[in-house]
Amino acid sequence: GQNIDQPTEMTATEGAIVQINCTYQTSGFNGLFWYQQHAGEAPTFLSYNVLDGLEEKGRFSSFLSRSKGYSYLLLKELQMKDSASYLCAVGDNAGNNRKLIWGLGTSLAVNP
Amino acid sequence: EADIYQTPRYLVIGTGKKITLECSQTMGHDKMYWYQQDPGMELHLIHYSYGVNSTEKGDLSSESTVSRIRTEHFPLTLESARPSHTSQYLCASSGVGAGSYNEQFFGPGTRLTVL
Repeated sequence: GQNIDQPTEMTATEGAIVQINCTYQTSGFNGLFWYQQHAGEAPTFLSYNVLDGLEEKGRFSSFLSRSKGYSYLLLKELQMKDSASYLCAVGDNAGNNRKLIWGLGTSLAVNP
Repeated sequence: EADIYQTPRYLVIGTGKKITLECSQTMGHDKMYWYQQDPGMELHLIHYSYGVNSTEKGDLSSESTVSRIRTEHFPLTLESARPSHTSQYLCASSGVGAGSYNEQFFGPGTRLTVL
């Protein structure tokens, strides 16, 4: 079957670093996405990994290991505005990431 | 900046009414999607389209219907709304473009309440 696992909730302190893990088991793989969703708002795209390794984009970095079916999103210098849900999603193998398999999301609370 | 729009943003209606949720995108994307999401819960794909005159049901059974007559427009219709349809409905689109990973861009959502 197809499955994506990520922690339900995490708490961190302003200015700290937090790592949100995501493991996946899918019939095919065509890239992994991370999205941020603030309460009551729509998800917004953060990062995409299709090859193994680390992709850095400002305070956010995303890592992928295809052999382990594992990814993480690293948030540095946490700010209060980073309090949100972080969704891991895997592109299916139908080409061009036509459909995404979504995780349930990790709710991150950043405390002062 | 994603150019995908949804109207209305909020809608409160009575049981049995027919409603259409509008979604339009100006990015020329070929793929469009409708998701249903309750507060604090996961995204559920209810409909998707890979191009004009192409529509498919998603992973979550829904009593709604969709159409894709024009590339930019993907409306969702509920023939007879019920309280169980109360939820947030998110429209998204994706497609090949400069620097694109085929990521999905989301509209602001329509929060529907059926009394």
